[in-house]
Amino acid sequence: ETGVTQSPTHLIKTRGQQVTLRCSSQSGHNTVSWYQQALGQGPQFIFQYYREEENGRGNFPPRFSGLQFPNYSSELNVNALELDDSALYLCASSLAPGERGNTIYFGEGSWLTVV
Amino acid sequence: GQQLNQSPQSMFIQEGEDVSMNCTSSSIFNTWLWYKQDPGEGPVLLIALYKAGELTSNGRLTAQFGITRKDSFLNISASIPSDVGIYFCVIPHSGGGADGLTFGKGTHLIIQP
Repeated sequence: ETGVTQSPTHLIKTRGQQVTLRCSSQSGHNTVSWYQQALGQGPQFIFQYYREEENGRGNFPPRFSGLQFPNYSSELNVNALELDDSALYLCASSLAPGERGNTIYFGEGSWLTVV
Repeated sequence: GQQLNQSPQSMFIQEGEDVSMNCTSSSIFNTWLWYKQDPGEGPVLLIALYKAGELTSNGRLTAQFGITRKDSFLNISASIPSDVGIYFCVIPHSGGGADGLTFGKGTHLIIQP
C-alpha cells in the first residue's frame, strides 16, 4: 500500500476517443509523474507535475496532456486515442522533484485498452 | 535517450536457488536504482545506489554499483515464492531537474515448484 490511488483501474476506449485518468498522490507529496507501460516493457516517463505546473516531459506527443490540482492530485488526458496507446498507465508521487534519495511511490495503475 | 540493457530477460529457477541479474549502459550514471513490480501492482523501490563500487543489501537482496559507473548487478539469495515478479534497473531522468525515471526492460523471475 503506497498511498497513491488511481482510477479507473480498467477501461476500454475506441480509437479516436479521448480519455482522462486520475491520480491521488500520497499525503504530503507535491510532485506527481505519469508513466506508460506497454505489455512486456518497462515504464516510460510521460511527464511530471510539480506545484501545478509541468516540470519535465518525456518523448510523448502533445496529445498527452496533464493537470495538477491545488490538492496535488493529477489527471492524465490523452486525445485522439491510437491502438498503440493501449497500456498500463502508472502514476507516481514524491515529496519534491530532483532530490537525491527522494523515494518515488507508484500507484497500481490504470489499464487502458484501445480498440 | 538513455538505454539500459538488462539481462537476462527471464529466469526460471527452483525455490531456494540464488539469482543474479545485471544492467549495462553505454553512458555513465551517478545513481542506479532497482525496482520490483509484482503482478497487478506498480513498481516498488528495492535498493538505491549512489557511489561507484558501492555494495548495498536489503535482506536477501544485494545490489552493486559497477566501478565503471556503466553497470549494476542485483543478486537474490535463497529465493522464495514471493520473489516472483519483474525486476527493473532504473536510472533517474536527466531532463531539467524533473524527477522522472528511465527503466530497463526488466527481468521476469519465475519460480518453479
